[in-house]
Amino acid sequence: AQSVTQLDSQVPVFEEAPVELRCNYSSSVSVYLFWYVQYPNQGLQLLLKYLSGSTLVESINGFEAEFNKSQTSFHLRKPSVHISDTAEYFCAVSMYNNNDMRFGAGTRLTVKP
Amino acid sequence: NAGVTQTPKFRVLKTGQSMTLLCAQDMNHEYMYWYRQDPGMGLRLIHYSVGEGTTAKGEVPDGYNVSRLKKQNFLLGLESAAPSQTSVYFCASSNQGEAYNSPLHFGNGTRLTVT
Repeated sequence: AQSVTQLDSQVPVFEEAPVELRCNYSSSVSVYLFWYVQYPNQGLQLLLKYLSGSTLVESINGFEAEFNKSQTSFHLRKPSVHISDTAEYFCAVSMYNNNDMRFGAGTRLTVKP
Repeated sequence: NAGVTQTPKFRVLKTGQSMTLLCAQDMNHEYMYWYRQDPGMGLRLIHYSVGEGTTAKGEVPDGYNVSRLKKQNFLLGLESAAPSQTSVYFCASSNQGEAYNSPLHFGNGTRLTVT
């Protein structure tokens, strides 16, 4: 089965600084990759996804992630973070014809003023 | 628009008690899922359903049962609760079609404590 490793459990960063949240996956077949965000006391919300095509995908609030097949990675980046980006971020992977989407353990991003 | 609604939001059970968590979605989604979220472990799939009347096991199904009698509802049951089932439970749904590449829509979770 596919699996996901998020390399950092916590990432503290100052406001307006750049940030990278790292995600690696393992799978022997083609995968579909997702980043979800969870704000306190809420469910997860889709941030962005890679299904096929361009390896760089973007969200509406300035995040981007790049699919790197050779390194089996899907790192999430933002050039300048805001206080409101404070949340927990989950990387997820699914495979063709498989309903079992696997999630990483999560990275807690804390943006400090 | 409600999306995915979970009830109850909080529950405390004693070991051995039973309960049912209810998930309702108003988006006409075919696929529904139950996950549990534990610190440091992310979300793990308990059971899922690909349509009314169908259910299947996920990664951690032991100790849970599910039913999907109506398309919009997906129930998660604990017959005899154990402290190891203390967790936050999330229901999710996704669009008809290729569920493996469709994003999941989540409810706000149910925090369950088993003492």
